Amino acid sequence: DSGVTQTPKHLITATGQRVTLRCSPRSGDLSVYWYQQSLDQGLQFLIQYYNGEERAKGNILERFSAQQFPDLHSELNLSSLELGDSALYFCASSVEDDNEQFFGPGTRLTVL
Amino acid sequence: GQQLNQSPQSMFIQEGEDVSMNCTSSSIFNTWLWYKQDPGEGPVLLIALYKAGELTSNGRLTAQFGITRKDSFLNISASIPSDVGIYFCAGPRDDKIIFGKGTRLHILP
Repeated sequence: DSGVTQTPKHLITATGQRVTLRCSPRSGDLSVYWYQQSLDQGLQFLIQYYNGEERAKGNILERFSAQQFPDLHSELNLSSLELGDSALYFCASSVEDDNEQFFGPGTRLTVL
Repeated sequence: GQQLNQSPQSMFIQEGEDVSMNCTSSSIFNTWLWYKQDPGEGPVLLIALYKAGELTSNGRLTAQFGITRKDSFLNISASIPSDVGIYFCAGPRDDKIIFGKGTRLHILP
């Protein structure tokens, strides 16, 4: 158990809908990272927050947004969902802005 | 130049065999990370390497930071069934961590 929690574990929804994925980092970790993992693309970095502020951005679509709250938990919002958004979404956390990230168990999103 | 290339893509081995896999890049990395992902789980950090030439072990796992800083190697000795999974290399680039596409390890019954 990495200490990072993600909810829900599974999510099934329809195209055009909007969903919110939730992540609680390890106790004491200030950075939260979001990744998308699909079969043909591997792990793709989406976005990082550090202590409530956006720190780095990867290949995140405009339909996706995230935020980190004062209690350091984070949410990833996915809107106008398309079939191709079906994937595993992982959250990871680290103490500072360092490299050793600890991953949550992921949320499997299925868009029908 | 920002990609990490992992080789092999997949491996089929017998229990008890030693395993070697590698990760290469056309550009230099100052840190190499090796993660393992079990089916249905998130990646778990196995070994972190911070210095060129560094050799670090974690149980039956040994990883090396290549002297050119453009590659890293992971070895698993005396494989056991729970070694099955996907092994990812990763490294920091432009304020983010990039991952290779992984090496899938299968153990034949």
